[in-house]
Amino acid sequence: KAGVTQTPRYLIKTRGQQVTLSCSPISGHRSVSWYQQTPGQGLQFLFEYFSETQRNKGNFPGRFSGRQFSNSRSEMNVSTLELGDSALYLCASSSTGGNQPQHFGDGTRLSIL
Amino acid sequence: QKEVEQDPGPLSVPEGAIVSLNCTYSNSAFQYFMWYRQYSRKGPELLMYTYSSGNKEDGRFTAQVDKSSKYISLFIRDSQPSDSATYLCAIEESGGYNKLIFGAGTRLAVHP
Repeated sequence: KAGVTQTPRYLIKTRGQQVTLSCSPISGHRSVSWYQQTPGQGLQFLFEYFSETQRNKGNFPGRFSGRQFSNSRSEMNVSTLELGDSALYLCASSSTGGNQPQHFGDGTRLSIL
Repeated sequence: QKEVEQDPGPLSVPEGAIVSLNCTYSNSAFQYFMWYRQYSRKGPELLMYTYSSGNKEDGRFTAQVDKSSKYISLFIRDSQPSDSATYLCAIEESGGYNKLIFGAGTRLAVHP
């Protein structure tokens, strides 16, 4: 069974640009969550989608947004990039709506110049 | 105070040692407990998942949860150099819509 797939693996952007990251969950999984990982703050929850609906959101500015498609694939968008947005962005999927094990992809490494 | 506290280490042990990794948490609403392992340049890999107090064993790994003390542990027996990685505890509220709260991660090095 294929795992969680994130594309691209690496991205380099400049301040002020926007970026879209993609996540394909494990087949049959309907919940997709996004996390940001930085050396200073560790792993922090961004948001969660289930059946195309955002059900939970972390403490991040509105520049961070996402969506989920009917096939459960998800995208995350960051607008007006700042230097502090440099991080590893991780996607995780789980089979149902909550309190189930989450399985992570290998992430997208975003660097802002 | 952070919701989940975890000593970042680093922790260095000889091959074959028993490793003990620990986290404490502050919110009694946390009911689901996970341990992840993360190798460099990879995503976190789920090792253990539990929701009840007590011990859960899987091969060389044992997860221990003490809800009364708000304390969770992961024990690794017969540690191997391939166990060298960062270990992250993660906790979720009941009905928390998959929002995991992570500890800072403990970096473990197992030397031959």
